[in-house]
Amino acid sequence: AQSVTQLDSQVPVFEEAPVELRCNYSSSVSVYLFWYVQYPNQGLQLLLKYLSGSTLVKGINGFEAEFNKSQTSFHLRKPSVHISDTAEYFCAVIPNQAGTALIFGKGTTLSVSS
Amino acid sequence: DAGVIQSPRHEVTEMGQEVTLRCKPISGHNSLFWYRQTMMRGLELLIYFNNNVPIDDSGMPEDRFSAKMPNASFSTLKIQPSEPRDSAVYFCASRGTGGPGELFFGEGSRLTVL
Repeated sequence: AQSVTQLDSQVPVFEEAPVELRCNYSSSVSVYLFWYVQYPNQGLQLLLKYLSGSTLVKGINGFEAEFNKSQTSFHLRKPSVHISDTAEYFCAVIPNQAGTALIFGKGTTLSVSS
Repeated sequence: DAGVIQSPRHEVTEMGQEVTLRCKPISGHNSLFWYRQTMMRGLELLIYFNNNVPIDDSGMPEDRFSAKMPNASFSTLKIQPSEPRDSAVYFCASRGTGGPGELFFGEGSRLTVL
């Protein structure tokens, strides 16, 4: 079975500061990794994904994440946040095999203030 | 192109009543997922379908919950009888052939059971 742990439930930061949202996963098989973002009163939308290849992946809105297999981590980063980045961020995994569904972490609320 | 459409967006009902949530996936997508989001438990997978066939319903809480997908363009999630602990936001998501984890979410149905 797979599991996802998002180490911080809330992350408050000031505008233009860097931010890192941490995600660790557990799986006995290879997985694909994802970050989704949820703005207030909306559904989730894909931010970025790691399937294979370069361990540093870039997504929308200036976010990037690095896959670290030895540490089973997939932390999300942005060098300078904006007020509009305030949202909930979900890390998710899916096993590298057919007929499976995404498993989500419990989410991290990023609050950006001026 | 229209996204995933869910209805109703908000539902308030009394304990014991039947609730039916509806979902129209993106045209051409062959997988459909129902998730439930609560503060306590985060995003939980309830059930998912591939080509209208239920693949994994192990997340359905109990017999009061049922889901159907009579055709490729429509799915329902039914709760009968409803209980206050069913209060949550229910999300429907669909997936095409773009990648194993790229889900497209609807805006959710917020259910309140009094």
